[in-house]
Amino acid sequence: NAGVTQTPKFQVLKTGQSMTLQCAQDMNHEYMSWYRQDPGMGLRLIHYSVGAGITDQGEVPNGYNVSRSTTEDFPLRLLSAAPSQTSVYFCASGRGGVGYTFGSGTRLTVV
Amino acid sequence: QQQVKQSPQSLIVQKGGISIINCAYENTAFDYFPWYQQFPGKGPALLIAIRPDVSEKKEGRFTISFNKSAKQFSLHIMDSQPGDSATYFCAARMDSSYKLIFGSGTRLLVRP
Repeated sequence: NAGVTQTPKFQVLKTGQSMTLQCAQDMNHEYMSWYRQDPGMGLRLIHYSVGAGITDQGEVPNGYNVSRSTTEDFPLRLLSAAPSQTSVYFCASGRGGVGYTFGSGTRLTVV
Repeated sequence: QQQVKQSPQSLIVQKGGISIINCAYENTAFDYFPWYQQFPGKGPALLIAIRPDVSEKKEGRFTISFNKSAKQFSLHIMDSQPGDSATYFCAARMDSSYKLIFGSGTRLLVRP
Protein backbone atom coordinates (compact mmCIF):
# COMPACT_ATOMS: atom_id res chain seq x y z
CA ASN A 1 0.00 0.00 0.00
CA ALA A 2 1.99 2.99 -1.30
CA GLY A 3 -0.51 5.78 -0.42
CA VAL A 4 0.04 8.89 -2.57
CA THR A 5 3.02 8.72 -4.92
CA GLN A 6 4.43 11.80 -6.59
CA THR A 7 7.03 11.87 -9.33
CA PRO A 8 9.52 13.35 -9.90
CA LYS A 9 10.83 14.48 -6.50
CA PHE A 10 12.96 17.23 -8.01
CA GLN A 11 12.82 19.04 -11.35
CA VAL A 12 14.54 22.00 -12.94
CA LEU A 13 12.86 23.59 -15.97
CA LYS A 14 13.77 26.42 -18.24
CA THR A 15 11.27 29.21 -18.72
CA GLY A 16 8.76 28.24 -21.40
CA GLN A 17 9.26 24.50 -21.09
CA SER A 18 6.35 22.22 -20.36
CA MET A 19 6.14 19.27 -18.03
CA THR A 20 3.73 17.03 -16.15
CA LEU A 21 3.88 16.29 -12.45
CA GLN A 22 2.54 12.84 -11.75
CA CYS A 23 0.34 11.81 -8.83
CA ALA A 24 -1.04 8.34 -8.18
CA GLN A 25 -2.95 6.90 -5.22
CA ASP A 26 -3.85 3.31 -4.47
CA MET A 27 -6.47 3.92 -1.77
CA ASN A 28 -9.49 4.23 -4.08
CA HIS A 29 -10.03 7.81 -2.93
CA GLU A 30 -12.56 9.80 -4.93
CA TYR A 31 -11.02 13.18 -4.07
CA MET A 32 -7.63 14.31 -5.35
CA SER A 33 -6.05 17.73 -5.34
CA TRP A 34 -2.90 19.69 -6.08
CA TYR A 35 -1.37 22.33 -3.80
CA ARG A 36 1.67 24.52 -4.08
CA GLN A 37 3.65 25.53 -1.01
CA ASP A 38 5.58 28.77 -0.89
CA PRO A 39 7.32 30.36 2.12
CA GLY A 40 4.87 32.39 4.22
CA MET A 41 1.95 31.47 1.94
CA GLY A 42 0.97 28.13 3.34
CA LEU A 43 -0.56 25.60 0.99
CA ARG A 44 -2.62 27.02 -1.85
CA LEU A 45 -5.08 24.89 -3.78
CA ILE A 46 -4.41 24.75 -7.52
CA HIS A 47 -6.97 22.25 -8.87
CA TYR A 48 -9.03 19.46 -7.42
CA SER A 49 -11.19 16.54 -8.53
CA VAL A 50 -14.09 14.77 -6.83
CA GLY A 51 -14.03 11.80 -9.19
CA ALA A 52 -12.93 10.51 -12.58
CA GLY A 53 -13.87 12.96 -15.31
CA ILE A 54 -14.58 15.81 -12.86
CA THR A 55 -12.13 18.62 -12.15
CA ASP A 56 -12.44 22.15 -10.82
CA GLN A 57 -10.27 25.16 -10.10
CA GLY A 58 -8.86 26.06 -6.72
CA GLU A 59 -7.35 29.31 -5.46
CA VAL A 60 -4.43 29.62 -7.91
CA PRO A 61 -5.26 27.71 -11.14
CA ASN A 62 -3.65 29.99 -13.72
CA GLY A 63 -0.81 28.35 -15.66
CA TYR A 64 -1.83 24.81 -14.69
CA ASN A 65 -4.03 22.15 -16.29
CA VAL A 66 -5.33 18.90 -14.87
CA SER A 67 -7.33 15.90 -15.99
CA ARG A 68 -8.75 12.87 -14.17
CA SER A 69 -9.24 9.95 -16.51
CA THR A 70 -8.95 7.30 -13.77
CA THR A 71 -9.61 7.21 -10.03
CA GLU A 72 -5.94 6.53 -9.35
CA ASP A 73 -4.16 9.26 -11.32
CA PHE A 74 -4.32 13.04 -11.26
CA PRO A 75 -1.49 14.64 -13.30
CA LEU A 76 -0.70 18.36 -13.14
CA ARG A 77 0.51 19.98 -16.36
CA LEU A 78 2.53 23.14 -16.71
CA LEU A 79 2.17 24.22 -20.34
CA SER A 80 4.74 27.03 -20.35
CA ALA A 81 6.75 27.21 -17.14
CA ALA A 82 7.45 30.59 -15.55
CA PRO A 83 9.82 31.49 -12.68
CA SER A 84 6.74 32.32 -10.56
CA GLN A 85 5.89 28.62 -10.67
CA THR A 86 9.02 27.73 -8.70
CA SER A 87 7.55 26.00 -5.66
CA VAL A 88 7.02 22.73 -3.87
CA TYR A 89 3.98 20.90 -5.21
CA PHE A 90 1.92 18.47 -3.16
CA CYS A 91 -0.76 16.07 -4.28
CA ALA A 92 -3.40 14.94 -1.79
CA SER A 93 -6.22 12.43 -1.86
CA GLY A 94 -9.13 11.63 0.41
CA ARG A 95 -12.44 9.88 0.87
CA GLY A 96 -15.60 11.37 2.24
CA GLY A 97 -14.04 14.81 2.50
CA VAL A 98 -11.94 14.03 5.56
CA GLY A 99 -8.47 12.78 6.44
CA TYR A 100 -6.66 13.80 3.28
CA THR A 101 -3.35 12.02 2.63
CA PHE A 102 -0.50 13.99 1.10
CA GLY A 103 2.34 12.83 -1.09
CA SER A 104 5.96 13.67 -0.32
CA GLY A 105 6.08 16.55 -2.81
CA THR A 106 7.84 17.66 -5.98
CA ARG A 107 10.34 20.50 -5.71
CA LEU A 108 10.22 22.46 -8.96
CA THR A 109 12.65 25.19 -9.96
CA VAL A 110 12.05 27.27 -13.08
CA VAL A 111 15.08 29.20 -14.30
CA GLN B 1 -7.96 37.18 0.11
CA GLN B 2 -6.88 34.66 2.70
CA GLN B 3 -9.90 32.71 3.88
CA VAL B 4 -8.15 31.14 6.87
CA LYS B 5 -5.87 33.38 8.91
CA GLN B 6 -3.28 31.70 11.12
CA SER B 7 -1.06 33.11 13.85
CA PRO B 8 1.63 33.31 15.00
CA GLN B 9 3.96 32.80 12.05
CA SER B 10 6.57 31.27 14.34
CA LEU B 11 6.63 30.09 17.93
CA ILE B 12 9.38 29.09 20.34
CA VAL B 13 8.44 27.08 23.42
CA GLN B 14 10.48 25.40 26.13
CA LYS B 15 10.21 21.66 26.60
CA GLY B 16 7.23 20.87 28.79
CA GLY B 17 5.44 24.10 27.94
CA ILE B 18 2.15 24.67 26.15
CA SER B 19 2.15 25.63 22.46
CA ILE B 20 -0.89 27.53 21.21
CA ILE B 21 -1.64 28.27 17.57
CA ASN B 22 -4.69 30.23 16.50
CA CYS B 23 -6.79 30.36 13.36
CA ALA B 24 -9.74 32.47 12.28
CA TYR B 25 -12.13 32.21 9.36
CA GLU B 26 -14.93 34.24 7.82
CA ASN B 27 -16.82 31.84 5.59
CA THR B 28 -19.65 30.11 7.46
CA ALA B 29 -19.77 27.47 4.71
CA PHE B 30 -16.73 25.76 6.26
CA ASP B 31 -17.81 22.58 8.03
CA TYR B 32 -14.65 20.66 8.94
CA PHE B 33 -11.47 21.99 10.52
CA PRO B 34 -8.33 19.82 10.50
CA TRP B 35 -4.81 20.54 11.68
CA TYR B 36 -1.80 19.22 9.78
CA GLN B 37 1.78 18.72 10.93
CA GLN B 38 4.67 18.95 8.49
CA PHE B 39 8.30 18.00 9.06
CA PRO B 40 11.03 19.34 6.75
CA GLY B 41 11.13 17.56 3.41
CA LYS B 42 7.86 15.75 4.05
CA GLY B 43 4.25 16.22 3.08
CA PRO B 44 1.72 17.46 5.64
CA ALA B 45 0.13 14.77 7.80
CA LEU B 46 -3.27 14.96 9.49
CA LEU B 47 -2.88 15.57 13.22
CA ILE B 48 -6.37 16.16 14.58
CA ALA B 49 -9.68 17.54 13.27
CA ILE B 50 -12.95 18.95 14.57
CA ARG B 51 -16.45 19.70 13.30
CA PRO B 52 -18.27 22.94 14.26
CA ASP B 53 -20.86 21.18 16.43
CA VAL B 54 -18.14 20.31 18.96
CA SER B 55 -16.33 22.89 21.11
CA GLU B 56 -13.28 20.82 21.99
CA LYS B 57 -11.52 17.66 20.86
CA LYS B 58 -8.55 16.08 22.56
CA GLU B 59 -6.18 13.41 21.28
CA GLY B 60 -3.28 12.73 23.58
CA ARG B 61 -1.30 15.95 24.09
CA PHE B 62 -3.12 17.71 21.24
CA THR B 63 -6.38 19.62 21.75
CA ILE B 64 -8.49 21.66 19.36
CA SER B 65 -10.68 24.37 20.85
CA PHE B 66 -13.46 25.66 18.59
CA ASN B 67 -15.47 28.86 19.02
CA LYS B 68 -18.21 28.89 16.38
CA SER B 69 -19.62 32.32 17.28
CA ALA B 70 -16.19 33.94 17.07
CA LYS B 71 -15.22 31.88 13.99
CA GLN B 72 -11.98 30.90 15.64
CA PHE B 73 -10.24 27.66 16.47
CA SER B 74 -6.94 26.85 18.06
CA LEU B 75 -4.48 24.03 18.56
CA HIS B 76 -2.99 23.44 21.99
CA ILE B 77 0.02 21.17 22.41
CA MET B 78 0.46 20.25 26.05
CA ASP B 79 3.83 19.18 27.47
CA SER B 80 5.54 20.22 24.24
CA GLN B 81 8.51 18.07 23.22
CA PRO B 82 11.47 18.74 20.88
CA GLY B 83 10.00 16.10 18.55
CA ASP B 84 6.97 18.38 18.11
CA SER B 85 9.17 20.91 16.32
CA ALA B 86 7.53 21.20 12.91
CA THR B 87 5.30 23.46 10.84
CA TYR B 88 1.62 23.33 11.73
CA PHE B 89 -1.20 24.25 9.38
CA CYS B 90 -4.83 24.82 10.18
CA ALA B 91 -7.34 24.22 7.41
CA ALA B 92 -11.04 24.47 6.67
CA ARG B 93 -13.21 22.52 4.26
CA MET B 94 -16.02 23.97 2.17
CA ASP B 95 -19.25 22.05 2.80
CA SER B 96 -20.33 22.34 -0.83
CA SER B 97 -17.26 20.50 -2.07
CA TYR B 98 -14.20 18.76 -0.77
CA LYS B 99 -12.04 21.87 -1.13
CA LEU B 100 -9.59 22.19 1.77
CA ILE B 101 -8.25 25.72 2.36
CA PHE B 102 -5.11 26.12 4.46
CA GLY B 103 -3.76 28.80 6.74
CA SER B 104 -0.28 30.20 6.19
CA GLY B 105 1.40 27.92 8.72
CA THR B 106 3.20 28.23 12.07
CA ARG B 107 6.77 27.10 12.52
CA LEU B 108 7.10 25.66 16.03
CA LEU B 109 10.45 25.17 17.72
CA VAL B 110 10.51 23.37 21.07
CA ARG B 111 13.77 23.94 22.91
CA PRO B 112 15.17 21.16 25.12
